[in-house]
Amino acid sequence: DAMVIQNPRYQVTQFGKPVTLSCSQTLNHNVMYWYQQKSSQAPKLLFHYYDKDFNNEADTPDNFQSRRPNTSFCFLDIRSPGLGDAAMYLCATGERGGETQYFGPGTRLLVL
Amino acid sequence: DQQVKQNSPSLSVQEGRISILNCDYTNSMFDYFLWYKKYPAEGPTFLISISSIKDKNEDGRFTVFLNKSAKHLSLHIVPSQPGDSAVYFCAASVGSNAGNMLTFGGGTRLMVKP
Repeated sequence: DAMVIQNPRYQVTQFGKPVTLSCSQTLNHNVMYWYQQKSSQAPKLLFHYYDKDFNNEADTPDNFQSRRPNTSFCFLDIRSPGLGDAAMYLCATGERGGETQYFGPGTRLLVL
Repeated sequence: DQQVKQNSPSLSVQEGRISILNCDYTNSMFDYFLWYKKYPAEGPTFLISISSIKDKNEDGRFTVFLNKSAKHLSLHIVPSQPGDSAVYFCAASVGSNAGNMLTFGGGTRLMVKP
């Protein structure tokens, strides 16, 4: 089945220790997104790639970076996680001209 | 500034009855609206959408109504089933292109009691 896969599902890191979350897709979509969702809040877009073009939201902290080495994979790097970065991180894909975005199951990040 | 709001954090409904989930938006540029459903430990899944050129879209038990003048949309589920228990997010975008950004509401947790 075509899908969006996120690994790991749960990630524990230490305060200030860099961490990378990964997302892969078999849908061959040209747009990939990273969202942050804190408890009981709306998913908040961090950035997205249209093919290799990177688009950062204005209020995304510099602490968050992303890489998309190819169509299938996209990574979220948090350079120095703080306690406030503990959240669910959702990856989504979409096709320009398509109807909707397709979400992965998310990675829940815990910062100790 | 929340551009998309779901003012009811939770809703409890008896099985077989109608569930009505509401969503309000402030940005008049939004012209495409979606509802997503989210189970615990899973990502949101697309449920139904509506373009601003319509005021109603129906898919099986799910109907979305759009009132542009009131900047309000609602999702009706009839009849409600226990498997519908989940968090429902409404989202809005400018244009129906999947490359366009979605702005989400905070979600409403629906509980359907047997």
